[in-house]
Amino acid sequence: GNSVTQMEGPVTLSEEAFLTINCTYTATGYPSLFWYVQYPGEGLQLLLKATKADDKGSNKGFEATYRKETTSFHLEKGSVQVSDSAVYFCALTNSQGAQKLVFGQGTRLTINP
Amino acid sequence: DTAVSQTPKYLVTQMGNDKSIKCEQNLGHDTMYWYKQDSKKFLKIMFSYNNKELIINETVPNRFSPKSPDKAHLNLHINSLELGDSAVYFCASRQQGADTQYFGPGTRLTVL
Repeated sequence: GNSVTQMEGPVTLSEEAFLTINCTYTATGYPSLFWYVQYPGEGLQLLLKATKADDKGSNKGFEATYRKETTSFHLEKGSVQVSDSAVYFCALTNSQGAQKLVFGQGTRLTINP
Repeated sequence: DTAVSQTPKYLVTQMGNDKSIKCEQNLGHDTMYWYKQDSKKFLKIMFSYNNKELIINETVPNRFSPKSPDKAHLNLHINSLELGDSAVYFCASRQQGADTQYFGPGTRLTVL
């Protein structure tokens, strides 16, 4: 079945540091890939997505590239801010059927000033 | 505001009780979902409805019964609540043909 594996957290960085959160997946067919973010006490927000190989999703300075050859969708940001502190979820969905989201285990990110 | 909304935001109840959580979306989407987030933040699909028809039921105990009175609403009724049901429950919706799901703010259920 489909699955998503994220790097274990928690991750703690200083402001303006470079961020990478690794995500790899196992899926049949051609899944769409997502990063969702959950700020403290809030629900899930879509951060970015990519729907086919070599697509790059980007938003709020975050980027992730759909790599079919390595089955990866790593999240990166060049200079993090305190306001980026949150839990980040990598997820996939198949393009057919009910399209349930399969999530990774989440990575808690804390940015210190 | 166009959004996915859930009520209540917090629900504290005793073991053995029956409770319901409601979800409404005014995005005009056809498909709605319930996800459960456990204490370790792990998220897992429970149910999905498309135009009031159940299309996903992921080995959830039959104490959980979703109901969709119309395509804008998907409610979750839980019978005989157990300690292990304590979690945050998220509703989501998606337009048929699109791949992005939009999430509600979550309902934190605590069973004592």
